[in-house]
Amino acid sequence: DTAVSQTPKYLVTQMGNDKSIKCEQNLGHDTMYWYKQDSKKFLKIMFSYNNKELIINETVPNRFSPKSPDKAHLNLHINSLELGDSAVYFCASSHRGLGLGGDSPLHFGNGTRLTVT
Amino acid sequence: QQQVKQSPQSLIVQKGGISIINCAYENTAFDYFPWYQQFPGKGPALLIAIRPDVSEKKEGRFTISFNKSAKQFSLHIMDSQPGDSATYFCAASINGGSQGNLIFGKGTKLSVKP
Repeated sequence: DTAVSQTPKYLVTQMGNDKSIKCEQNLGHDTMYWYKQDSKKFLKIMFSYNNKELIINETVPNRFSPKSPDKAHLNLHINSLELGDSAVYFCASSHRGLGLGGDSPLHFGNGTRLTVT
Repeated sequence: QQQVKQSPQSLIVQKGGISIINCAYENTAFDYFPWYQQFPGKGPALLIAIRPDVSEKKEGRFTISFNKSAKQFSLHIMDSQPGDSATYFCAASINGGSQGNLIFGKGTKLSVKP
């Protein structure tokens, strides 16, 4: 009964390849996110989708393309992988609140460790 | 430009001691300040959070102290236990607590020695 699940957990690939990471949440949340955690543990948001609509798109190379087939899924596709893409990618979800009440807490998956060689 | 500065980078505390992690922010529009705890191989999980209308919030052994004028907030872990050993992240956001655009500090690796 994992709340936010990502696959695969580990991904090792060569430069130039294209790869995808899948994420699913069973919490009934309407908003999903991708965060990147670098080797120094720094966490930074990449994308956010609310009800399948892109609402946050930080400065990320356009080799990264999120896709949300429904509000329970948010996949991340990466084209032409580079060495600098090596990191841990976290999917997260929350319920987007209205007004000053704020959102529900972010629920993170356990991450996908991507290694580009 | 780092909007949330966290210190120390690492912290070693004896069992039973008090762990203190500090954060400072720059953007006065921030209005929601959570702390996340991350164990190795796991994703971060919300530990405790505060809004700027209160100066302190306590949940069990964990307390957030907030100083709006100084633009600083800190996490205190009382009676620290080896099970508290983890990386702790402070964060901040705007828009009434919208957590999707959390700005994280760089993290503090806490080790509690038995």
